[in-house]
Amino acid sequence: AQTVTQSQPEMSVQEAETVTLSCTYDTSESDYYLFWYKQPPSRQMILVIRQEAYKQQNATENRFSVNFQKAAKSFSLKISDSQLGDAAMYFCAYRSAYGGSQGNLIFGKGTKLSVKP
Amino acid sequence: NAGVTQTPKFRILKIGQSMTLQCTQDMNHNYMYWYRQDPGMGLKLIYYSVGAGITDKGEVPNGYNVSRSTTEDFPLRLELAAPSQTSVYFCASSLTVNYGYTFGSGTRLTVV
Repeated sequence: AQTVTQSQPEMSVQEAETVTLSCTYDTSESDYYLFWYKQPPSRQMILVIRQEAYKQQNATENRFSVNFQKAAKSFSLKISDSQLGDAAMYFCAYRSAYGGSQGNLIFGKGTKLSVKP
Repeated sequence: NAGVTQTPKFRILKIGQSMTLQCTQDMNHNYMYWYRQDPGMGLKLIYYSVGAGITDKGEVPNGYNVSRSTTEDFPLRLELAAPSQTSVYFCASSLTVNYGYTFGSGTRLTVV
């Protein structure tokens, strides 16, 4: 079974600085998708970024980018020019490309990010 | 386009009571899910459905039931509520496995 590990329960960053959140996963599959979700205090789950495993190019969305290392099974999220609104819980998630029960999102336990003004 | 709509947003239930959490999506998504979120534990899958009339258990199904009579609706039923079911519940949907989920806004349930 696949697992997702976020080793940093909490992180802190100064406003305008850069922070990197770590995520590792375990799978024997070759085709899958990886995601980062943001959960602010409002509780809403918001998709931040998506990475396809068969694409070597790292995904980027404005100030958010990932470092995807397939061989190392690592998927870190970099937030540049951090803003107060980035303060939230961040979840890393894995999804198999093979469908059925394997196609369900598997979440890490989350990293709580604080942004200091 | 409303996306995924969950009701209620908050509920307090007494031990032994039953209730249904409603979930509706208007995106014609085949896949629908129910997760629970407990502090420090991430999200755990309760039940999922790959289409109308098809449901299956996830990681933590005990104490819950679901049905999927239409593409749009995927209600979660709690029978004989227990304090261990105190949690935040999320409904989500997805068009295919190629994409992430669209989540509802969640239901905070407290069982006392």
